[in-house]
Amino acid sequence: GQNIDQPTEMTATEGAIVQINCTYQTSGFNGLFWYQQHAGEAPTFLSYNVLDGLEEKGRFSSFLSRSKGYSYLLLKELQMKDSASYLCAFHGSNYQLIWGAGTKLIIKP
Amino acid sequence: ETGVTQTPRHLVMGMTNKKSLKCEQHLGHNAMYWYKQSAKKPLELMFVYSLEERVENNSVPSRFSPECPNSSHLFLHLHTLQPEDSALYLCASSQDWIAATGSGELFFGEGSRLTVL
Repeated sequence: GQNIDQPTEMTATEGAIVQINCTYQTSGFNGLFWYQQHAGEAPTFLSYNVLDGLEEKGRFSSFLSRSKGYSYLLLKELQMKDSASYLCAFHGSNYQLIWGAGTKLIIKP
Repeated sequence: ETGVTQTPRHLVMGMTNKKSLKCEQHLGHNAMYWYKQSAKKPLELMFVYSLEERVENNSVPSRFSPECPNSSHLFLHLHTLQPEDSALYLCASSQDWIAATGSGELFFGEGSRLTVL
């Protein structure tokens, strides 16, 4: 089968660094996405990884290890506006998108 | 204009009502999707249209009926819903059908918050 797991909620301090993990299991992997969703708003695309390694985009970075079925989203220099849910999703067999339930990130001053 | 627009943003309906959700995309995309988002659950794909043809229907009850009159518009017709259907319904679009191309970013609307009494 195919499944995906990420923590339900995390708390971090403004200005700090936080790492949100995502683990998955699938027989056919074709790429992994991270989306950000502020409360009451549309999910928006953050990153896409299909090869192993770290992809950096400003304060946000995403890492993938295909052999371990593992990804993380790293947020640096946290700002209050980073309080949101972060959704992990991978392209599995037949390129179906399998979504995690999302990690709610709470930033405290 | 924003890329994907959904109306209404909020809808309250009784179990015997008939209502429709509307989605419009201004991005020139070829694929459009309906997702259901319930609290603390993964996004559930309901329907996919590619070039105005329905290409996926993930075991959705018949009380949900999609319609895609053209590549820019997508509707979700609702009738005799149940309280457990209360959720956020998200519309999304992508340049082409993701399952066919194996890649692509989804552009979401802000959703229609549905409450069934």
